[in-house]
Amino acid sequence: AQSVTQPDIHITVSEGASLELRCNYSYGATPYLFWYVQSPGQGLQLLLKYFSGDTLVQGIKGFEAEFKRSQSSFNLRKPSVHWSDAAEYFCAVLNTGGFKTIFGAGTRLFVKA
Amino acid sequence: GAVVSQHPSRVICKSGTSVKIECRSLDFQATTMFWYRQFPKQSLMLMATSNEGSKATYEQGVEKDKFLINHASLTLSTLTVTSAHPEDSSFYICSARVGSLGAYEQYFGPGTRLTVT
Repeated sequence: AQSVTQPDIHITVSEGASLELRCNYSYGATPYLFWYVQSPGQGLQLLLKYFSGDTLVQGIKGFEAEFKRSQSSFNLRKPSVHWSDAAEYFCAVLNTGGFKTIFGAGTRLFVKA
Repeated sequence: GAVVSQHPSRVICKSGTSVKIECRSLDFQATTMFWYRQFPKQSLMLMATSNEGSKATYEQGVEKDKFLINHASLTLSTLTVTSAHPEDSSFYICSARVGSLGAYEQYFGPGTRLTVT
C-alpha cells in the first residue's frame, strides 16, 4: 500500500536560513506527489506538485521540491525562510488509481527571529 | 484560484445532538468531494469520498450511519454528525477535486472545528 513518511515532527529554523523538509514515499509506480501547507485555523494550500517531467519542481512562495526516484524522496526546500512560513507542512501522494490522496503525518515548522 | 468554503467554522453541540457541516465550491463545479478528519497535531484522515448524485464511499472504520454525507449538487456536499459524542470532537475538512488524473486540482476548505460537550 502507498504511504508517505515525514521523518521530522517539527523543525525550527532561523529567519533567513535555508529550509529542507523531508518526505519519503512508498509507491510501486511513478508517483504523483504534493506538498501542502496549513496555517493555524486554515485549510490546506497546495505549494507544488509533481506528476512527471522535470524532477525539480517550482512552487508558490519560493518553495521547490526535488523528486528522487532512487531515494523515494520528495523533499521540500526554500533558500531563505520568512517568519510567515511558520506552519504545518504535509507531503502527500496519490494512491494507485489516482483516486485518493494519502497524507504524511506533517512537519511543523517554527521560525525564530 | 478556486475557493472551497465550509460552514460553520466552529460549532459546539451537546452530546446526543446532530450537527450538519456544509462544504461549497464557490466558483467551480466539483464532481468529487472528500471529507477528512484531523486530530490535533496529526495528519488528515480520509473519512469518505462523495460523488455528485451518488452514495458516498466510506473508508474502513468510518461509521456511515454516524457520518452522513450528502452530495446533492456539483457545488455542495454536507456532512452530518449524528448523535454526536465527545469523541467526535475534531477538525473536519472538506476538499473538492476537479480535472482528470495527471491534471487535476484538489482544493481544501478552511475546516470546521466541532466540539461536543
